[in-house]
Amino acid sequence: GAVVSQHPSRVICKSGTSVKIECRSLDFQATTMFWYRQFPKQSLMLMATSNEGSKATYEQGVEKDKFLINHASLTLSTLTVTSAHPEDSSFYICSAIPTSYGYNEQFFGPGTRLTVL
Amino acid sequence: DAKTTQPNSMESNEEEPVHLPCNHSTISGTDYIHWYRQLPSQGPEYVIHGLTSNVNNRMASLAIAEDRKSSTLILHRATLRDAAVYYCILRASAGGTSYGKLTFGQGTILTVHP
Repeated sequence: GAVVSQHPSRVICKSGTSVKIECRSLDFQATTMFWYRQFPKQSLMLMATSNEGSKATYEQGVEKDKFLINHASLTLSTLTVTSAHPEDSSFYICSAIPTSYGYNEQFFGPGTRLTVL
Repeated sequence: DAKTTQPNSMESNEEEPVHLPCNHSTISGTDYIHWYRQLPSQGPEYVIHGLTSNVNNRMASLAIAEDRKSSTLILHRATLRDAAVYYCILRASAGGTSYGKLTFGQGTILTVHP
């Protein structure tokens, strides 16, 4: 089956630093990837839609200058949290849609837990 | 976006069937009904989806009301590994800015007792 990986799985950083999270589709190509964040005991909140070769589309209320998304290839999207602060601590999850599947199924990564001290 | 309503939690015993309800009274004619589940500290996992007809796969069955205002996810024999948060989501069909996007609600926490 289609597999999505994320790296790193956990990261702890100091306030003010930037953190990059990678999302890779391992055995398929994905024109579209999505980034979500999830706070403890809450549901997933869509942050942005990432399309290969074009600018990401951010959901209302998500700061595009703070959460930089790059989808440079059909198998890799990255999310960079710039100047991270404790309130950015969260579980970040990506998902990918195989180019050949249509939109019937999204495949999710295992998530990255970010802790900002 | 059309919204869904699910019970906050449900409980089941192992090897018994589980029926997880979902109300979506404002569903549009072209919205697909998707179900995903999320185990603790993991990304969500696709379960099943449908448009109008009932659907079956190796994981579950999806029963869709004739008026499409509600649906039920059926796990035929619950196992301990089925304990998760189950999300019922409406996905817009082709076209428009919402195409392909999934908007997660609060979901139903399913507890399975041995």
